Amino acid sequence: GENVEQHPSTLSVQEGDSAVIKCTYSDSASNYFPWYKQELGKRPQLIIDIRSNVGEKKDQRIAVTLNKTAKHFSLHITETQPEDSAVYFCAARTFNAGNMLTFGGGTRLMVKP
Amino acid sequence: GAGVSQTPSNKVTEKGKYVELRCDPISGHTALYWYRQSLGQGPEFLIYFQGTGAADDSGLPNDRFFAVRPEGSVSTLKIQRTERGDSAVYLCASSPGVGYGVYNEQFFGPGTRLTVL
Repeated sequence: GENVEQHPSTLSVQEGDSAVIKCTYSDSASNYFPWYKQELGKRPQLIIDIRSNVGEKKDQRIAVTLNKTAKHFSLHITETQPEDSAVYFCAARTFNAGNMLTFGGGTRLMVKP
Repeated sequence: GAGVSQTPSNKVTEKGKYVELRCDPISGHTALYWYRQSLGQGPEFLIYFQGTGAADDSGLPNDRFFAVRPEGSVSTLKIQRTERGDSAVYLCASSPGVGYGVYNEQFFGPGTRLTVL
């Protein structure tokens, strides 16, 4: 089955700096890669996603890049703000082998004011 | 509109007891998923339903876990003879359907925190 590795597990940045979180996946058939933000005690919420036919996607301060050959994808947050502090999870989904998401272990992002 | 809801929000039980966790998906969503999230980890897939049938239950850890969705809407996750290792947050998610379309984002509920003493 699919295996998703995520790093770093914790990331501390100064407000205004950029943050990058990286994930690798094992199943070359995976074709959809969402990123979720989870605040303490809250539900995971989708912040951005990318499909395998696209190399990059951007939404205001956040962007995701995908390298299918290397089987890795990354989340980029620019001009970080204290409210960006949360745990971020990457995930991969393989549509032709079930529709479940396989999640990475999470990255705790701390943005210091 | 209303999002995915789950009840109870917290459940404390004793080892060996039976528990039921409920999920109300977003109205009209045909796909429903159950995940389990242990402290400090990402959610792990348990089972998913397309309509009333369990399309994939490969994530259920053993036969003490069972889930139903009799009318294709509300789902109940049932755990028999609970063990301390079952303690976790159980998350439910729903999506409009299955497939490659943009509308197939999974929307998560707030979870049920299960504590087995």
